[in-house]
Amino acid sequence: NAGVMQNPRHLVRRRGQEARLRCSPMKGHSHVYWYRQLPEEGLKFMVYLQKENIIDESGMPKERFSAEFPKEGPSILRIQQVVRGDSAAYFCASSPPRQGTEAFFGQGTRLTVV
Amino acid sequence: QKEVEQNSGPLSVPEGAIASLNCTYSDRGSQSFFWYRQYSGKSPELIMFIYSNGDKEDGRFTAQLNKASQYVSLLIRDSQPSDSATYLCAVTRSSNDYKLSFGAGTTVTVRA
Repeated sequence: NAGVMQNPRHLVRRRGQEARLRCSPMKGHSHVYWYRQLPEEGLKFMVYLQKENIIDESGMPKERFSAEFPKEGPSILRIQQVVRGDSAAYFCASSPPRQGTEAFFGQGTRLTVV
Repeated sequence: QKEVEQNSGPLSVPEGAIASLNCTYSDRGSQSFFWYRQYSGKSPELIMFIYSNGDKEDGRFTAQLNKASQYVSLLIRDSQPSDSATYLCAVTRSSNDYKLSFGAGTTVTVRA
């Protein structure tokens, strides 16, 4: 049973480019969460999605960031016109449909903006 | 005031000793508490969760919760070099809540 799969593991983008981060949840998991970890800081919640629905995006920056979890395929976190401050590790976690169950994290995508 | 606070460390302990990690939280309504271990460059891995006041033991790990003092701790007994990692404390407002609020983590180094 594969865990939460994220790709790419490392992504380098120039300022102004777009970054697309992908997350495939564990088998049987329909809830996906994205967190961002800045250097020397804890993980910060960004967005919570279920299939085809954004449930809570209160942690997402108001501009340039978007997320989706289509009926088919992985969840995508999209960052448009990246800036150096977007450089961070982005972690995806997934959990089963039952509420209150633990979330399992993927290996993360380390984004570097040059 | 940060929602979840931890001593950043580094906490250095000799092999075989007890490592004690502390975490305080500001939201008195918090109900669920988690400890994650994160090796450098890796993903967070859940090692303990606790919902009720008191102690919860799992192998060499013991989580302690005191809701009145808004304090949760993690003890690692018989520390091993493989325990060297950053330990993240996380809380949610209820057992049904999905949004984890993390502390910045405490780095532990176990000296052989």
